[in-house]
Amino acid sequence: EVQVVESGGGLVQPGGSLRLSCAASGFTFSNYWMSWVRQAPGKGLEWVANIKEDGSEKNYVDSVKGRFTISRDNAKNSLYLQMNSLRVEDTGMYYCARDDGHYGSGTYYRYGMDVWGQGTTVTVSS
Amino acid sequence: SLVLTQPPSVSVAPGQTASITCGGNNIEFKSVHWYQQKPGQAPVLLIYYRTDRPSGISERLSGSNSGNTATLTISGVKAGDEADYYCQVWDSSSDPPKWVFGGGTKLTVL
Repeated sequence: EVQVVESGGGLVQPGGSLRLSCAASGFTFSNYWMSWVRQAPGKGLEWVANIKEDGSEKNYVDSVKGRFTISRDNAKNSLYLQMNSLRVEDTGMYYCARDDGHYGSGTYYRYGMDVWGQGTTVTVSS
Repeated sequence: SLVLTQPPSVSVAPGQTASITCGGNNIEFKSVHWYQQKPGQAPVLLIYYRTDRPSGISERLSGSNSGNTATLTISGVKAGDEADYYCQVWDSSSDPPKWVFGGGTKLTVL
């Protein structure tokens, strides 16, 4: 079964740190871009970051640049999100998602996020 | 920076057709993806690359793009279609590039 499972969420004070993990199984993890997407309570989806198959390219939403770091370990089929200098507005559910697509004619064609975990909850509060 | 605009809510009677729009500058030239999210659940990919459906997704769902608007159409709406729906685009013209989600539309089945 193709799946991703997040872990590492919890309650942290403003300014604190957390490291989220995402364990992938049932597919060749090293063949896919991967993303983190978050959702504040009662709000919509917000993409946070993504990382290329080999980790050589990383992109971030402006609000987390310099504070969050996405990484992966293909040998362990795992994706990570190191979150530092956390703010109250970082509170929410964090989802790990497989970023589907394919390469053709020198271009990467993106097919959206086709596999999602159930999420891990991050609460930033004093 | 690309902004995707969705109506906050759409209501439709069972058996009717629901159309959920996603507005964005020159969106007809972009690949728009659509997701469904039910309360307490993770999002599910419904439509990718404007019109394609992943395996297992009902043929009642379809996507289209024209001008500055993409549309998700759900025909023969059922009670089980009640959910939040999000559009998504990869904004490759942004530096650095990024995924952008619409604000979401709550579909209510009357």
